[in-house]
Amino acid sequence: QVQLQESGPGLVKPSETLSLTCSVSGDSISISYWSWIRQPPGKTLEWIGYIGYSGDTNYNPSLKSRLTMSVDTSKNQFSLKLTSVTAADTALYYCVREVWGSFDPWGQGTLVTVSS
Amino acid sequence: EIVLTQSPGTLSLSPGERATLSCRASPGLSNNYLAWYYQKPGQAPRLLIHGASSRATGIPDRFSGSASGTDFTLTISRLEPEDFAVYFCQQYGSSPWTFGQGTKVESK
Repeated sequence: QVQLQESGPGLVKPSETLSLTCSVSGDSISISYWSWIRQPPGKTLEWIGYIGYSGDTNYNPSLKSRLTMSVDTSKNQFSLKLTSVTAADTALYYCVREVWGSFDPWGQGTLVTVSS
Repeated sequence: EIVLTQSPGTLSLSPGERATLSCRASPGLSNNYLAWYYQKPGQAPRLLIHGASSRATGIPDRFSGSASGTDFTLTISRLEPEDFAVYFCQQYGSSPWTFGQGTKVESK
């Protein structure tokens, strides 16, 4: 059974870089695509982007200029870096496996707050 | 970008009743590339339906999905206590993938 676990700082200062890592267990990262999705408190979900095991990516245009995703197959992990963050980037961040465009399963999520 | 509009915003029903949730895609959505998720407070969303009408693994058959043009419907035939949650639709027909704003199904 595939399980995902997000890790990273829960507090990031404005203008700095948000960095998160997702550890995948129960499946090889090399056979799927992997996405990040975020959910501001009390709001709906926003797809951030996906990455494949070979490093191919597809980013949401709304975040593309600030976003970098990477994958480490040796650690079965993938990562997210979002630069120049503002309060609008405060959200619960989920890592998920992408299955032909739908998302299953999801990590438990990690709350990232942007504040000085 | 495809915008998904869900209705109603909130649905107040009793256990055992039938729930009908709607999701409209604008502009249209190709190949019924639409999924449904439910989310309970403090939990991550969980996939219910993909391809507009295919239940995900482990999802009971009281959940069903259908499509008609740009309109998609999630039906819960008989509400169980654990079904009271927020439901989201999501399209993957055109990048960027997008979500609806959600429908809350609450106990009356």
